[in-house]
Amino acid sequence: EAGVVQSPRYKIIEKKQPVAFWCNPISGHNTLYWYLQNLGQGPELLIRYENEEAVDDSQLPKDRFSAERLKGVDSTLKIQPAELGDSAVYLCASSLRDDREAFFGQGTRLTVV
Amino acid sequence: GNSVTQMEGPVTLSEEAFLTINCTYTATGYPSLFWYVQYPGEGLQLLLKATKADDKGSNKGFEATYRKETTSFHLEKGSVQVSDSAVYFCALRIRGGGGSNYKLTFGKGTLLTVNP
Repeated sequence: EAGVVQSPRYKIIEKKQPVAFWCNPISGHNTLYWYLQNLGQGPELLIRYENEEAVDDSQLPKDRFSAERLKGVDSTLKIQPAELGDSAVYLCASSLRDDREAFFGQGTRLTVV
Repeated sequence: GNSVTQMEGPVTLSEEAFLTINCTYTATGYPSLFWYVQYPGEGLQLLLKATKADDKGSNKGFEATYRKETTSFHLEKGSVQVSDSAVYFCALRIRGGGGSNYKLTFGKGTLLTVNP
C-alpha cells in the first residue's frame, strides 16, 4: 500500500514569492493533517481536514497561508507571500479517522532566501 | 495547555548499550501517549503507544510505560543497534473541543546516534 506522498521534497524560493505544497493521502483516509516542523522542534499542527472540511485551522496563519482539500482526497498548502521565517519542513499526514493512527509523508523542506 | 517535554539531545551511545529517553507531559484531560521515530530522510513513523495508565507500549525492542502518577512516558531499549540512529519524538493526543477532535502535541525530539 502506498504511503502518504508529498511533493516537492525540496523547494527553494526567494522571499515574497508564492509556494505550494501537494499531498496525496493514503487511499480511504478521511482525515488529513498539515504540520509545520521548524528546525530542532517537534511538528505543530497547522490544519486538519475531515474529508473536504477544515475542522481545525486555529494554528494556520491565515494572512499568508491557505489550504484546500477539494473532493476530500488530495490537499494543497499555499504560502503567499513567503517570508524568511517560513523556512521549515511541512509535513502531511493522514488517518482513517481522527482517532486512528496518523501516517506521515516524508515532508517538503522549504528554504526561503 | 498541553505540552510534552523531552530529554535534550543529542544522545550518543555505543552498540548494545542501554537507552533511556525521558519524556514528561502536562495535559488537560486524559491523554494517549506515543513515541514516533524519524529515520534520516524519512517521514515520522509511529513506534509505540499507550492509551491508559500503566499500559506498556512496545515495538522493535523499545518499551515505554504510561505513568500517570509521574506524568511520564520514558522510552527504553535494552540493547541499541546502529540502525536505531534516528530522531525520537514523544507525543500526546487528547480531545480538543467538542466531539472527536484529536490533535497530536509533540516534544522537540531527541537525536540518537549509535556507533558501532
